Amino acid sequence: KAGVTQTPRYLIKTRGQQVTLSCSPISGHRSVSWYQQTPGQGLQFLFEYFSETQRNKGNFPGRFSGRQFSNSRSEMNVSTLELGDSALYLCASSLAGGHRYEQYFGPGTRLTVT
Amino acid sequence: DQQVKQNSPSLSVQEGRISILNCDYTNSMFDYFLWYKKYPAEGPTFLISISSIKDKNEDGRFTVFLNKSAKHLSLHIVPSQPGDSAVYFCAASANYGGATNKLIFGTGTLLAVQP
Repeated sequence: KAGVTQTPRYLIKTRGQQVTLSCSPISGHRSVSWYQQTPGQGLQFLFEYFSETQRNKGNFPGRFSGRQFSNSRSEMNVSTLELGDSALYLCASSLAGGHRYEQYFGPGTRLTVT
Repeated sequence: DQQVKQNSPSLSVQEGRISILNCDYTNSMFDYFLWYKKYPAEGPTFLISISSIKDKNEDGRFTVFLNKSAKHLSLHIVPSQPGDSAVYFCAASANYGGATNKLIFGTGTLLAVQP
């Protein structure tokens, strides 16, 4: 079974631009979560989608948004990029709802904002 | 407010010996705990989990121990192998009143297994 895939793997953007990252979960998984990893803050929860609905959101500004499609694929968007948005963005999928399901991570998208 | 803490940024052990990675948490609502391993330029890989109704879970060379009264968990790797060298993250989750999958991660411990 294929794992979680994320595209693109690397991205360089300029301050003020916007970016869209894509995540395809493991086949059959319906929950997709997004995390931001930075050296200073570690892994931080952005948001989670299940059946095209956002169920939970972390403590990030409204510039960070996401959505999920009917095939469970998910995208996250960051508008008006800032230098501090440079990070590894990780997507994770799990079989269903509920906090006792293991999450499986993709390789991440490395975003650099210049 | 760091709810999940890994106080050792790094750990070095000899091949064949035991590696013990520690994790402390502050939120008593956490009732499910996971360990992930991460290599550079890759996403975290799920290793092992434990529910708060248990105090031990084993999977091959990996054992996780949970001490709820101390709000402490540890991951034991026996025997340690050079391929185990990676960053290990402890993560916790709670029932936030809905079926959500939010994980709170520690800052990670870099394990180096010396041949």
